[in-house]
Amino acid sequence: QAGLTQPPSLSYDLGETATLTCTGNRYNVGHGGAAWLHQHRGHPPKLLSYRNGKWPSGIPERFSESRSGDTASLTITGLQAEDEGDFYCTSWDSSLSAWLFGGGTKVTVL
Amino acid sequence: QVQVVQSGAEVKEPGASVRVSCKTSGYIFTDYYLHWVRQAPGQGLEWVGLINPDLGNTNYAQKFRGRVSMTRDTSRSTVYLELSSLTSEDTAVYYCAREVNDFDYWGQGTLVTVSS
Repeated sequence: QAGLTQPPSLSYDLGETATLTCTGNRYNVGHGGAAWLHQHRGHPPKLLSYRNGKWPSGIPERFSESRSGDTASLTITGLQAEDEGDFYCTSWDSSLSAWLFGGGTKVTVL
Repeated sequence: QVQVVQSGAEVKEPGASVRVSCKTSGYIFTDYYLHWVRQAPGQGLEWVGLINPDLGNTNYAQKFRGRVSMTRDTSRSTVYLELSSLTSEDTAVYYCAREVNDFDYWGQGTLVTVSS
């Protein structure tokens, strides 16, 4: 089944601003938005942001999110070393009645 | 505090079935859906399906229908994933995740290896 589209990898210098994108369609991201997850190698994913734009407790303020049409974006202002890892977006697809994940973006902090 | 604890690693032969458990605590078990998500080695996340612990109804991803079953035991606050007719492509870490609007708490993962 169709998934959400994310760039496979991005590299940034320490302290830079990173912008990650997640593109779906009107049945998923365009309808209800996307949640973002962060995964360090060998660990389970961790919820970064909810589809409704709210944030779990403990998430640093350097993370922000936005949506334009069928594309959701996660912005990390002032990248830290611990921000390295894989970032996934996820959304409920009302047409498929299924949850979808993006392929993930591997972020490297140089 | 909320905890999601899964059973240990499994090694199965092709054609066999596997059962993985997910025990929750720290909240009312029947209040929130639980999902199974898998991740093949070096790959991304793939949704397997969900179970409503209150009523026991399920929703499986199209890809797994016919060989997946999710059940729950409310007395143990535990849900189970059973996957049959295993092939090498089912080798993955299987995660259990609670849904409160989105996937807010995850288990530690269970590695299922399918090999002859």
